[in-house]
Amino acid sequence: TQLLEQSPQFLSIQEGENLTVYCNSSSVFSSLQWYRQEPGEGPVLLVTVVTGGEVKKLKRLTFQFGDARKDSSLHITAAQPGDTGLYLCAGAASGTYKYIFGTGTRLKVLA
Amino acid sequence: DTGVSQDPRHKITKRGQNVTFRCDPISEHNRLYWYRQTLGQGPEFLTYFQNEAQLEKSRLLSDRFSAERPKGSFSTLEIQRTEQGDSAMYLCASSFIDGELFFGEGSRLTVL
Repeated sequence: TQLLEQSPQFLSIQEGENLTVYCNSSSVFSSLQWYRQEPGEGPVLLVTVVTGGEVKKLKRLTFQFGDARKDSSLHITAAQPGDTGLYLCAGAASGTYKYIFGTGTRLKVLA
Repeated sequence: DTGVSQDPRHKITKRGQNVTFRCDPISEHNRLYWYRQTLGQGPEFLTYFQNEAQLEKSRLLSDRFSAERPKGSFSTLEIQRTEQGDSAMYLCASSFIDGELFFGEGSRLTVL
């Protein structure tokens, strides 16, 4: 059974601080996605990474896929209140389009 | 096309009753997914379709859950003999070839 564990589960920080969210598994994924979800809405895709060691940047967000494609991280620089939300990683094993979601990290950025 | 739509948005039912949710995906998307989400947790995979074929169903589900996508377009998720533990948000998503999942706003189920 594929499991994606995210850490930390909760994070409350002040505006301007940096943070890193981790997504770990014992399984290998062909691709890994990061989503953000706000209350009352469905998750919205932020990025997809497919190559081991890949790094992608989206403004103040930096995403990295582990060399072995079993883990990923999301780093936010100078967090803003608008970054508040539930961050989710999701992965699919090779040869399948079954996306399994991580346990989630709830981020709150205080002004 | 305005995205993935789900109906109803909210459903309150008594334990033991049957409920059905509908999902209309983005029209050109061939894959459709159902997930269940409880407060503050990540979505839990239930099942997914490619066109009208149901490719996988979670072993976590009992036989009370069934999903269909009869013509490869809209899908329904039925829960029979609901239990209080079924209370959750039921999310539908669709995708095309590149794998990005587009989610609807969900159907919230409350079982009394």
